[in-house]
Amino acid sequence: EPEVTQTPSHQVTQMGQEVILRCVPISNHLYFYWYRQILGQKVEFLVSFYNNEISEKSEIFDDQFSVERPDGSNFTLKIRSTKLEDSAMYFCASKMGASGNEQFFGPGTRLTVL
Amino acid sequence: GQSLEQPSEVTAVEGAIVQINCTYQTSGFYGLSWYQQHDGGAPTFLSYNGLDGLEETGRFSSFLSRSDSYGYLLLQELQMKDSASYFCAVRPPLTGNTPLVFGKGTRLSVIA
Repeated sequence: EPEVTQTPSHQVTQMGQEVILRCVPISNHLYFYWYRQILGQKVEFLVSFYNNEISEKSEIFDDQFSVERPDGSNFTLKIRSTKLEDSAMYFCASKMGASGNEQFFGPGTRLTVL
Repeated sequence: GQSLEQPSEVTAVEGAIVQINCTYQTSGFYGLSWYQQHDGGAPTFLSYNGLDGLEETGRFSSFLSRSDSYGYLLLQELQMKDSASYFCAVRPPLTGNTPLVFGKGTRLSVIA
């Protein structure tokens, strides 16, 4: 069964460093998302992406964040200068089409900023 | 904006039935989804209600009342493996790429 994959599973970084989180969405999906979940809290939307551009972004997704689809399979989230409060689980999700109701989530990357 | 309310914790006995409620306030609404998340895992889709009424998928059912801005997830014949967090999520008005807005989640503990 096709699935969303994410790498790395766990990333530890120093405050102020740049990190890139990688995702490979399901191959025939067209809509991509990044969400984050601070430990013990709800899942929060960061950004959505379609047709090689950002569709929507939340207040969390400030100038320190960027997304890219550098080739036909990868979808990346970059945090330019990490802060302590960026420590969270980051989930990538994808959806097949506009009318689809199910978003498929990857296993997540746990980011720890020291 | 959107806000969703659901109980923070529920405990139920193996084999029993449990209902997890969700009320929402949204500036627009397209449908209500339910996701399950085990500790350390990813959210996985359980069900979706776009119209009023009950949707049944095996042991799980979900209900929506648009007029009451209310929905629930019903889990029957509870098993220990159902112990997880359950999130309701609103899909705002339709554009192709609308993100999900999640509630804070209900932690279900199934006990023997």
